[in-house]
Amino acid sequence: SYELTQPPSVSVSPGQTARITCSGDALPKQYGYWYQQKPGQAPVLVIYKDTERPSGIPERFSGSSSGTTVTLTISGVQAEDEADYYCQSADSSDVVFGGGTKLTVL
Amino acid sequence: QVQLVESGGGLVKPGGSLRLSCTASDFTFSDYYMSWIRQAPGKGLEWVSYISGTGTTIYYADSVKGRFTISRDSAKNSLYVQMNSLRAEDTAVYYCARGVAGGGNSVLDYYFDYWGQGTLVTVSS
Repeated sequence: SYELTQPPSVSVSPGQTARITCSGDALPKQYGYWYQQKPGQAPVLVIYKDTERPSGIPERFSGSSSGTTVTLTISGVQAEDEADYYCQSADSSDVVFGGGTKLTVL
Repeated sequence: QVQLVESGGGLVKPGGSLRLSCTASDFTFSDYYMSWIRQAPGKGLEWVSYISGTGTTIYYADSVKGRFTISRDSAKNSLYVQMNSLRAEDTAVYYCARGVAGGGNSVLDYYFDYWGQGTLVTVSS
């Protein structure tokens, strides 16, 4: 079955840039989406269609796509950005989430 | 403000059944695909099922196919999932989410712009 691969963890200091990658064979043909989930809360959409940011999401969140990888970039990381981040995509028969990346703000 | 509120979770024995509900408000319910997504304790997100706005198009993850049935009632602005033959591995928080078409090549290319707070289902003897 189709899989999306994310690093389990990423750590950055406040004010630095965090980059979280998501790799999958179908990503050149399918969009990638990103969700933020804080402990005890429901996920929140932060990027859709690879690069689009929903209203209300801070400008420091951005997305990009290259080949089989989509990337979530958080510029000027703040303490409140500490959370789990999940990518999501689809192939012809399945909707798939990546395993999640825990972002730690040091 | 769009709201999704799940209910119906609880403790059920292996092999048992449970029906979850999700009540939607502040958007035209019949215009949107709706989905159930679950998260086992301490684990990642897993998509469970989709249903179209009219209820005529339905998809399931292989892990629940033949055991779960998704449905909706537009008159009540409600989404449901009937879960039968429950297993320990079905233990999870179940979220309902509103789906938006991504426009990509796959008929399953939807993303989730609003989520409920989730309801916990525990399958244990």
